[in-house]
Order: sequence, then C-alpha cells, then structure tokens
Amino acid sequence: QKEVEQNSGPLSVPEGAIASLNCTYSDRGSQSFFWYRQYSGKSPELIMFIYSNGDKEDGRFTAQLNKASQYVSLLIRDSQPSDSATYLCAVNRGFKTIFGAGTRLFVKA
Amino acid sequence: ETGVTQTPRHLVMGMTNKKSLKCEQHLGHNAMYWYKQSAKKPLELMFVYNFKEQTENNSVPSRFSPECPNSSHLFLHLHTLQPEDSALYLCASSQDEGSYEQYFGPGTRLTVT
Repeated sequence: QKEVEQNSGPLSVPEGAIASLNCTYSDRGSQSFFWYRQYSGKSPELIMFIYSNGDKEDGRFTAQLNKASQYVSLLIRDSQPSDSATYLCAVNRGFKTIFGAGTRLFVKA
Repeated sequence: ETGVTQTPRHLVMGMTNKKSLKCEQHLGHNAMYWYKQSAKKPLELMFVYNFKEQTENNSVPSRFSPECPNSSHLFLHLHTLQPEDSALYLCASSQDEGSYEQYFGPGTRLTVT
C-alpha cells in the first residue's frame, strides 16, 4: 500500500464546475496535510494546508480532512482553465513529508 | 531575489562528468530539501538539512553528494551518474523541519547521456 494515494486522472471538468480531488494516506499518526499545484514544467506551489478535522476554505479552494477515514480532499469551486494542472497531496509524518503522485486536472473552457 | 532559486535550470552531462546543482533560499528558513521528480512518479525525498545538519538521507546512491554550508545554501554534487538519474531535481525550504509547508525552487532539469 502506498503511503499517500491519489487517483492519477486526468480529471476533466467543465469551466465553472466544482473539481473534487481526493487523497488517502496510510499512517494514522500523520499530522499535517498539504495541497500543492504543479503546472507542466514548473515546480510545485503550495495552495492549501490543513491540520484539523473539518473544512478549511480559502477563496475558491476548500480543503477537507477526515482523520478517522484517513482522507483529505481539495474542492475547487468555479473551476477555471487556469486551474488545469497536477495537484499533489502531501502528508507530514513526524519530520518527513510524503507526496502523492498527483492528480492531473483538466478544466475545459 | 526572493523565494528559492536554483541554478542551473537545465543541465546535460555525460556519465563520467562531475557537476553541481546550487540552491539558495531568501526566506530565512532553517530547513532545506533535495527532491527528485521523475516522469509520472511521486516526488522522491533525497536529503534534508536542518540548521545545516543533515537529518535525512533517503537511501540515496553515493554518486549524489549534498553539501549545506549554511542555512541559505544547498548544493548537490553529481558524479558518475546513470541515464536513469535524468529527472527534475527540486530544492525546497521550510521554516523548520517538520510540519511546515515547503517552498520549492524552479528545479534543475538534468539529462544524463
């Protein structure tokens, strides 16, 4: 079992729709959870982090964490073509951050 | 300059060459990281330095040799590389090692011929 699992996609949504990206992790002791966006040919860029169960909203982005079920998700409202990228889920365990392989999102204009 | 910078941005080297990658962070962070990103694979953590001390070596072959002279600079010395080492090498920094968000540099695209 991979430590951090994401559906590789591509996830295709029409412009203006909600994109839902999911991530599961194996270590129950994980404490911090991050979402990074990576455009093709570019480096990852942090867009959200969450530490506590529940929802955290920042503009069009909402991160959701459920530690009991060991999943974290990212919702993107009013998706735009500029949101087309690979989204990396990262989970911190102690002093180590483990990255998922990423989900490729494509927003159709 | 701001953020995390890396040089060179692109590097082509032969298997017998020796080269170095450089990373510099202007964020006042204490922890720096080297990652390898190959096509369709997760980011692979290679090395971690916290306050200039190496705290993680993720079973990286000895042909990769890191150096951290101070909290702002990180090097990755390369020698006798293999074609499978071709990848994007990313440097990142964070406030401290642990549960902190990381900020990435633009990466060095390495091709080993």
